[in-house]
Amino acid sequence: GEDVEQSLFLSVREGDSSVINCTYTDSSSTYLYWYKQEPGAGLQLLTYIFSNMDMKQDQRLTVLLNKKDKHLSLRIADTQTGDSAIYFCAERTLRNTDKLIFGTGTRLQVFP
Amino acid sequence: DAGVIQSPRHEVTEMGQEVTLRCKPISGHDYLFWYRQTMMRGLELLIYFNNNVPIDDSGMPEDRFSAKMPNASFSTLKIQPSEPRDSAVYFCASSLGSWERTEAFFGQGTRLTVV
Repeated sequence: GEDVEQSLFLSVREGDSSVINCTYTDSSSTYLYWYKQEPGAGLQLLTYIFSNMDMKQDQRLTVLLNKKDKHLSLRIADTQTGDSAIYFCAERTLRNTDKLIFGTGTRLQVFP
Repeated sequence: DAGVIQSPRHEVTEMGQEVTLRCKPISGHDYLFWYRQTMMRGLELLIYFNNNVPIDDSGMPEDRFSAKMPNASFSTLKIQPSEPRDSAVYFCASSLGSWERTEAFFGQGTRLTVV
């Protein structure tokens, strides 16, 4: 079946790196996504990675994918207070190409 | 394009009343999704449409929930009768195609409170 899990909370100091983790169960994942939800807003796509890649870097964001362990992570360098939000990982699989399966979301709190 | 537009942004209603949530997807998108977000259950997919046709409604919690898409530019999610446990933020999202890279674009959500 399809299941995407994340830890619920992460608290980091401003300027430090944040690492948000995600695990999934469906090995037929094709694309994996990271979405950000700011307070009172909808979800916005931050970045995505194709399943045949190990890493993708985009400015302060680094996505790491370990297909063997079915583990995805999002690293935010030099975390700022504006990064405080809920971060969702999501996968698209061969079993379900129409829709994204979302994780539970990780609430990132950045303190000064 | 203004993005996915949902209305109303906030809705407070009494238990037993009918509630209708509205969504206008991004023009040209052929997939439309309805999600519900709660603290307890996170983000749940309720139903999605492709070319105005419901494809999978297995996430709809009960018969009290129904969704329609009469045309490519409009969809509704109706709850009748509403109950306090339906209180949540309801999101509509749309996407173009089911190509594997395709991202879903989300609306701002409707915060529903049933008292």
